Amino acid sequence: AQRVTQPEKLLSVFKGAPVELKCNYSYSGSPELFWYVQYSRQRLQLLLRHISRESIKGFTADLNKGETSFHLKKPFAQEEDSAMYYCALRGKDTGRRALTFGSGTRLQVQP
Amino acid sequence: ETGVTQSPTHLIKTRGQQVTLRCSSQSGHNTVSWYQQALGQGPQFIFQYYREEENGRGNFPPRFSGLQFPNYSSELNVNALELDDSALYLCASSSAGGANEQFFGPGTRLTVL
Repeated sequence: AQRVTQPEKLLSVFKGAPVELKCNYSYSGSPELFWYVQYSRQRLQLLLRHISRESIKGFTADLNKGETSFHLKKPFAQEEDSAMYYCALRGKDTGRRALTFGSGTRLQVQP
Repeated sequence: ETGVTQSPTHLIKTRGQQVTLRCSSQSGHNTVSWYQQALGQGPQFIFQYYREEENGRGNFPPRFSGLQFPNYSSELNVNALELDDSALYLCASSSAGGANEQFFGPGTRLTVL
């Protein structure tokens, strides 16, 4: 079985502070990990995926297979980063392409 | 390019009734996945359709069923509605059997009274 855990329901930081949204996963095979974001009154959208190894809107995430983690980081938070963030996993070596989501973390960036 | 659309936006039903939700996939996409998102939770996979065939199913009972049409649009049907079926239902479309990025629709909010 595959599982994604986001231990924090809410993370509140001040503008300019570093941000780290935690994500841990459980999967016996070779996973693909993603971060999705949902801004207020907008639809869920892909922020980044681990295979791309890119920085989007200043966010990065590194897959740590030893710790089974995929934490999302940004060195300096902006007010426009306030949103709901979901970590998701997809089993690469199975026929299924379904995403397994964590329960989400709400990021509040205060001025 | 038109994104993923879903209808209706909101729906209120009573326990025991049946409901049909609709999803139009993004242009060029042949795969549709359905998710249920209960309040305060992440989306939970219901099933996926690829080229009009079910291509994977999550832990949902048979009263959740679906269809995909030749134009790749899709329906989610739920029979014998229960109070716990109240949720936001999300549709996501993608290409290549779901291997590529999934693009989500705005969702249908279902309330079961």
